[in-house]
Amino acid sequence: DTEVTQTPKHLVMGMTNKKSLKCEQHMGHRAMYWYKQKAKKPPELMFVYSYEKLSINESVPSRFSPECPNSSLLNLHLHALQPEDSALYLCASSPIPGVLTDTQYFGPGTRLTVL
Amino acid sequence: GIQVEQSPPDLILQEGANSTLRCNFSDSVNNLQWFHQNPWGQLINLFYIPSGTKQNGRLSATTVATERYSLLYISSSQTTDSGVYFCAVTGKSTFGDGTTLTVKP
Repeated sequence: DTEVTQTPKHLVMGMTNKKSLKCEQHMGHRAMYWYKQKAKKPPELMFVYSYEKLSINESVPSRFSPECPNSSLLNLHLHALQPEDSALYLCASSPIPGVLTDTQYFGPGTRLTVL
Repeated sequence: GIQVEQSPPDLILQEGANSTLRCNFSDSVNNLQWFHQNPWGQLINLFYIPSGTKQNGRLSATTVATERYSLLYISSSQTTDSGVYFCAVTGKSTFGDGTTLTVKP
């Protein structure tokens, strides 16, 4: 099973709402990633978890809060977002953190609209 | 950080035509991937190719690591090949800006 799943597929939220995005993989991968992709742009790295610990935070605003409850699951908690945070949020996983020969596998993404 | 440049930015083909997409990177890399992003946003792995040549059906890729470039070849293109093609140095989680391919029937 080489699949990364993400829920929900679409999310519309107001600026005062709190919501969460969920990502799951059952490939035994020990690195998981959140990316943000705006229209007609490449994905931009937000966070990396290695062995369930946050290893990279690309200076992401605190209104985005990642969580890795176990090796298969990655959440992104959203609070007090701005309309400019509307984007496609992609989750990815790779087998071994810190190894330069990793292959990343991506989920289908959550399309977020902030009103 | 590492720079990844892709060319051309846009490509329009007639069905059945062949094409070559290029990816240049600014530093030596140990991991490079090609992805196809479909119209629904899904990033599909095409190749993991830090060096050498690989083929998968109508697609093939070549990376010349010493000269810091990679090429993606698409032969006998089909309308389902349309979308955005990204190369990425996945060890640095850095993507190029992509090539948008449109294949017309």
